[in-house]
Amino acid sequence: KAGVTQTPRYLIKTRGQQVTLSCSPISGHRSVSWYQQTPGQGLQFLFEYFSETQRNKGNFPGRFSGRQFSNSRSEMNVSTLELGDSALYLCASTGSAAQYFGPGTRLLVL
Amino acid sequence: DAKTTQPPSMDCAEGRAANLPCNHSTISGNEYVYWYRQIHSQGPQYIIHGLKNNETNEMASLIITEDRKSSTLILPHATLRDTAVYYCIVCYRDDKIIFGKGTRLHILP
Repeated sequence: KAGVTQTPRYLIKTRGQQVTLSCSPISGHRSVSWYQQTPGQGLQFLFEYFSETQRNKGNFPGRFSGRQFSNSRSEMNVSTLELGDSALYLCASTGSAAQYFGPGTRLLVL
Repeated sequence: DAKTTQPPSMDCAEGRAANLPCNHSTISGNEYVYWYRQIHSQGPQYIIHGLKNNETNEMASLIITEDRKSSTLILPHATLRDTAVYYCIVCYRDDKIIFGKGTRLHILP
């Protein structure tokens, strides 16, 4: 089976812009979770989607949002970007054993 | 907050077994112990998980104490490619993962 894929892999934006990141889970996996990783805060949980519904949410402001489509693919959106949003954004899909992570999207906000 | 405590760093000689400890004294009865690792700038990689019994797969072995308050991940023959940050996580199955700071494992040639 193909692994979790994320697009784009790298992105540069400026403050105030918005960005959309995409994640395709492993075939057959219905749950997708998103995480943010920064040097200062480490890996932090953003939210989880299951069958197109948000099932869990971390402690992030409303500028961070997501959705899931009927084919389980997921997108996350960050509006009004701030410098502190520069991070590695990771997507994971949940199988029977564990969560399996994609390679991440590295976002740089200038 | 993460429910686990791990040493911030460890060294291991190449070819030797790497034993990574983890304390999780407040673990609940139905919570699993998961181990992931993250090689620099890559997504975390699932290694192994267990509930009560010791587990072994092609990557590693997981030893869980009888009281379940601590566990040890064993990489039987460490190679340079095992250099990574190793995360021990306690959570319910299918629950969100709360990552701690992990253990930075250095494999020495």
